[in-house]
Amino acid sequence: GAVVSQHPSWVICKSGTSVKIECRSLDFQATTMFWYRQFPKQSLMLMATSNEGSKATYEQGVEKDKFLINHASLTLSTLTVTSAHPEDSSFYICSAATPGGGSYEQYFGPGTRLTVT
Amino acid sequence: AQSVSQHNHHVILSEAASLELGCNYSYGGTVNLFWYVQYPGQHLQLLLKYFSGDPLVKGIKGFEAEFIKSKFSFNLRKPSVQWSDTAEYFCAVIAGNNRKLIWGLGTSLAVNP
Repeated sequence: GAVVSQHPSWVICKSGTSVKIECRSLDFQATTMFWYRQFPKQSLMLMATSNEGSKATYEQGVEKDKFLINHASLTLSTLTVTSAHPEDSSFYICSAATPGGGSYEQYFGPGTRLTVT
Repeated sequence: AQSVSQHNHHVILSEAASLELGCNYSYGGTVNLFWYVQYPGQHLQLLLKYFSGDPLVKGIKGFEAEFIKSKFSFNLRKPSVQWSDTAEYFCAVIAGNNRKLIWGLGTSLAVNP
């Protein structure tokens, strides 16, 4: 159980275009999803926290108009990189948190490799 | 601000050697503690977690970790590593009621056959 999928697994796009990445919790409902960036050989950087039915909460330094997050249902959150530039090339990972309780655990998707040319 | 530090950035071991990876966090309240592993080309997987109870936690693949509250530590151990343990290991903490994971920078483990 607790499987999280991401689509696409990799994408190449031209500078100036937008790219949408989907994150789905396959066998559980996730009221909260998280979006991360991971640079090579580095740790995860939290970009934003996405709560179903409400606006995402962005971390300091993350442009909310550039990285649009929508959490329209309990099993789907999307990240849209708008007007992508080469510096946006990265590995984007989502996670979904199980609902309720006092202890929280996140389940991670396999990640999406974005390359902007 | 809360933070997580992993003392070893790169570790190289021979098979059958014992492993201990250090993790310390800065937060005085209730914490949930995690170790994640990322094998080459794969996504993050949970190795083990501590929420409450017995401070010695056993995880998958023979890994264990001990929560020492007085030292704010959650070190990861394995008595005998295998080549297949070559991976990136991340310590992470949830502090208090905040659901966000605070990540360490990770430790790259290479096990030579």
